[in-house]
Amino acid sequence: AQSVTQPDIHITVSEGASLELRCNYSYGATPYLFWYVQSPGQGLQLLLKYFSGDTLVQGIKGFEAEFKRSQSSFNLRKPSVHWSDAAEYFCAVVSMTGNQFYFGTGTSLTVIP
Amino acid sequence: NAGVMQNPRHLVRRRGQEARLRCSPMKGHSHVYWYRQLPEEGLKFMVYLQKENIIDESGMPKERFSAEFPKEGPSILRIQQVVRGDSAAYFCASSLQGIDIQYFGAGTRLSVL
Repeated sequence: AQSVTQPDIHITVSEGASLELRCNYSYGATPYLFWYVQSPGQGLQLLLKYFSGDTLVQGIKGFEAEFKRSQSSFNLRKPSVHWSDAAEYFCAVVSMTGNQFYFGTGTSLTVIP
Repeated sequence: NAGVMQNPRHLVRRRGQEARLRCSPMKGHSHVYWYRQLPEEGLKFMVYLQKENIIDESGMPKERFSAEFPKEGPSILRIQQVVRGDSAAYFCASSLQGIDIQYFGAGTRLSVL
């Protein structure tokens, strides 16, 4: 069965520091992977996606993610965090039927001055 | 280019009443998905619809919940005889085609008193 695990429930970083959010997936074939961000009381905004090709994908707001098949991971990174990046981050994988996304439980990011 | 529109944003119901949640997909999108988010959890898939058809309702509770996406008008998620456990944020997403980026609305936050 497909699933997504985000091991870190909450992460706190200082503004300007680098960031890495972990995502591990379970999937029987080449996955389609996504990272979304959710600000309080808002919907989800797509940061980036991986369908195929280059395993390092660039997204909006300076985010990138690297697909590593051998580790079943799709970690999200940003070299320098801004206070406005404080939000909830969700990793997702498309089901093999394409009918639904499976979401991780999310990582809450706090940015301190 | 309007995004996915959900209304109402907030809905308060007493136990036993009916809740109707509406979702207008992005222009040109014919695929609609409904998800439910409980506090401190990720999004859980409920149902996937195309115009006038339910494609996958494997995540929908068997009783009291129904969804439709008519030829004209928004998609509707209907919850009959609501109970306190139905209190959650309900998100709608749409896509241009299957296995594609899903664009999310801002959600409807249902509170059952």
